[in-house]
Amino acid sequence: AQKVTQAQTEISVVEKEDVTLDCVYETRDTTYYLFWYKQPPSGELVFLIRRNSFDEQNEISGRYSWNFQKSTSSFNFTITASQVVDSAVYFCALRYSGYSTLTFGKGTMLLVSP
Amino acid sequence: DGGITQSPKYLFRKEGQNVTLSCEQNLNHDAMYWYRQDPGQGLRLIYYSQIVNDFQKGDIAEGYSVSREKKESFPLTVTSAQKNPTAFYLCASSPRGEHYEQYFGPGTRLTVT
Repeated sequence: AQKVTQAQTEISVVEKEDVTLDCVYETRDTTYYLFWYKQPPSGELVFLIRRNSFDEQNEISGRYSWNFQKSTSSFNFTITASQVVDSAVYFCALRYSGYSTLTFGKGTMLLVSP
Repeated sequence: DGGITQSPKYLFRKEGQNVTLSCEQNLNHDAMYWYRQDPGQGLRLIYYSQIVNDFQKGDIAEGYSVSREKKESFPLTVTSAQKNPTAFYLCASSPRGEHYEQYFGPGTRLTVT
């Protein structure tokens, strides 16, 4: 069985602080895909990143960076110099090879105050 | 513009009534999905379809039904058998293949009283 755990239910920071959202996953498969989505107050999920299990290279996109570590089954997401517009619920998700659907974590609500 | 549309944004029904939520996409995606979101629960898969005229149950299919008569459309019916239908419903689509991300619609918030 596969499972995604986002232990942080809610995080509050002040603008310009750095913040890391944790994601820990469980799967028996060697080939799988990890995703991060952002859900702003409007409700629509916005795709942020996809990573496959064979690519452990960390990625940076502007203020966003992702740290994938197979040894600890983690795929953490860091926002540098957070902004009020970053306030949203963030979901980590897992899909394993041969299976078309996603397993989502319960999400982390990030609140960035001015 | 390409995307996924769900209508209406808010829907109110009386208990005991069936209600159908629409989902349309013009992304030419083969696969479509329905999720339910409850506070603090994340997203749970209701049904999915990888091709026209075929669909599979997800984790919480009881009390729901779907059809996939056209590639662009994947309507979800919430039946009176669904014990707790009030929730936020999200539709998604993707190309076929495990490495593709899913694209989501804006969602429909259903309230049943």
